[in-house]
Formats: sequence, structure tokens, C-alpha cells
Amino acid sequence: DAGVIQSPRHEVTEMGQEVTLRCKPISGHDYLFWYRQTMMRGLELLIYFNNNVPIDDSGMPEDRFSAKMPNASFSTLKIQPSEPRDSAVYFCASSEQGPGGDIQYFGAGTRLSVL
Amino acid sequence: DQQVKQNSPSLSVQEGRISILNCDYTNSMFDYFLWYKKYPAEGPTFLISISSIKDKNEDGRFTVFLNKSAKHLSLHIVPSQPGDSAVYFCHCISSGSARQLTFGSGTQLTVLP
Repeated sequence: DAGVIQSPRHEVTEMGQEVTLRCKPISGHDYLFWYRQTMMRGLELLIYFNNNVPIDDSGMPEDRFSAKMPNASFSTLKIQPSEPRDSAVYFCASSEQGPGGDIQYFGAGTRLSVL
Repeated sequence: DQQVKQNSPSLSVQEGRISILNCDYTNSMFDYFLWYKKYPAEGPTFLISISSIKDKNEDGRFTVFLNKSAKHLSLHIVPSQPGDSAVYFCHCISSGSARQLTFGSGTQLTVLP
């Protein structure tokens, strides 16, 4: 398996523009997580899905952020409109259901710069 | 409110010596704990874990210790190698109905040759 795949790897955009980050989890994994990493806060959990259903979105900073998982092999994180303070590295991770399922496998991340 | 804290943002250790990374938590419902390692420009990767029914788990050069009464866990690396230089995150999970998953802010370990 190729692991968790995120695209794009880098995104540079201007304030006010819409940004869409994409993630393909490992096949067969039932959980999908979106994280944001910043120097100040480390790894913050934004939202996670179980079997394509959002379970906990309490980490989503505000209404400008939205996430979807239309099927088991694809998820998006959208920021509209983007702001400079959204600049960070965004990670997607997936994990299995069941015993030992708490180990998360991370993608390489998307580095977002909002100018 | 930070439920998981790694109070040392950075740590430098000489090659061959022991590295000790610490993590404190406040939520008594956490019952499963993991350590991840992260190199620059890569995602975190799983390193070692421990459940709350144990107080120690060892895997090669890596050992995780859990002190439930103190709500403290630590990762020991011995002997430390330059390739261990990375950011280390602790991850605490409560597996009950109100599942919570929280990462610490990370500790940058530098192993000096």
C-alpha cells in the first residue's frame, strides 16, 4: 500500500481565496483524521471521521473550515476564505478499527502559506 | 486547556547517552498512550505504545514508562543515535464512549555525534 496520500504538498495562496486540501487514506482503514501543526500549538486535531461519518469536529477553528468524506477513499479539508493565520502544515492520518487500531498512519502533509 | 503537555520543547543529548522525553496529562480517562517520531518534511510515524494496564513497554532501544498515579509517561532511548534526532510527540487516547485523542506539543531531540 502507498500509505496515506495528501495533495498538494505545498499550497501558496492569497488571503480571501478558497483552499482545498485532499487526502486518500490507507485502504481498509475506518478512521480518518485531519490535524494542523503549528509552532505554537503543536499537532491539533481538527476533525475525525469513522466510516465516513464526522465524529468529532470540536477542533475545527471556525466556520471558515469544513471537511467532507464522500467515500471511504477520499476526504477534503476546505478553508474559505483563507487568512494568513491559517498558514501551517496540515496532516491527514488514518487508522484501523479494532484492536491495535489506535496507531495512526500519517500522510506527508500539506504546507499551506496564506499571503 | 492543554490536557497533554510536553514541557521541554527541545533536548540535546550526546551520542551513546540516554535520552529521556517526558509527557504529562490531566485526563484520568486516558487509557492508551503512544509515541510518534517526526522528521522534517514528513508525517509523524508510530514508535511505541503502552496501555494503562502496564507500567513499562520495551522495544529495542526504546522504552516507555507509565506512572498512572502521577499521570506521567516518559520515553527512554538508549543508546541515543544521531538518526534519533527528530520531534517526538506523545499521544493520549481514551477508548471509552467519549473517545478523546490528544497529542502533546512535541519535543525536538537533537543527538550530537
